[in-house]
Amino acid sequence: AQSVTQLGSHVSVSEGALVLLRCNYSSSVPPYLFWYVQYPNQGLQLLLKYTTGATLVKGINGFEAEFKKSETSFHLTKPSAHMSDAAEYFCAVSERTGRRALTFGSGTRLQVQP
Amino acid sequence: NAGVTQTPKFQVLKTGQSMTLQCAQDMNHNSMYWYRQDPGMGLRLIYYSASEGTTDKGEVPNGYNVSRLNKREFSLRLESAAPSQTSVYFCASNRGRTEAFFGQGTRLTVV
Repeated sequence: AQSVTQLGSHVSVSEGALVLLRCNYSSSVPPYLFWYVQYPNQGLQLLLKYTTGATLVKGINGFEAEFKKSETSFHLTKPSAHMSDAAEYFCAVSERTGRRALTFGSGTRLQVQP
Repeated sequence: NAGVTQTPKFQVLKTGQSMTLQCAQDMNHNSMYWYRQDPGMGLRLIYYSASEGTTDKGEVPNGYNVSRLNKREFSLRLESAAPSQTSVYFCASNRGRTEAFFGQGTRLTVV
């Protein structure tokens, strides 16, 4: 069975500071990996994904994430936080075969201070 | 292009009442899903459907039933609502494994 751990349910950064949101997964084989963002009272929007190939993936709004197989990690980063980045972020995985459903982490709420 | 549409957006039920959450997608996707979102727990899979006419239980199926009416529509039914089913419900669809598209959610309160 797969599982996803997001360290830190709340992260606060200053505007212009580095954003680092941590995600580790547990899976018998490397899964597909995703980061989703949720703004208040809205659905989830895909930020970026890793399926195969280059381990550093770039997404929307200046975010990127690196898949590190040896560390079973897929941390999300952004060099300079903007006020509009304040939201909840979810790391998720799906199996490469069989059921295609996503398994989500518990989420990290990002607060950006002016 | 509407994507995934859920109705209603908000609902308050009394304990023991029943209701059906509706979901429709216009992207010709085969797979559809129902998740519930609870604070501090992320999203958990209730049921999924790999194609029209097929459904399968997810992580938290108790108290729910689903119907995949056709390729577009996937409904979630609560036969006898309980306060523990107070949650935000999301429907999603995908064609392959590389991206799921989510509806805006239904915020359900059971009193």
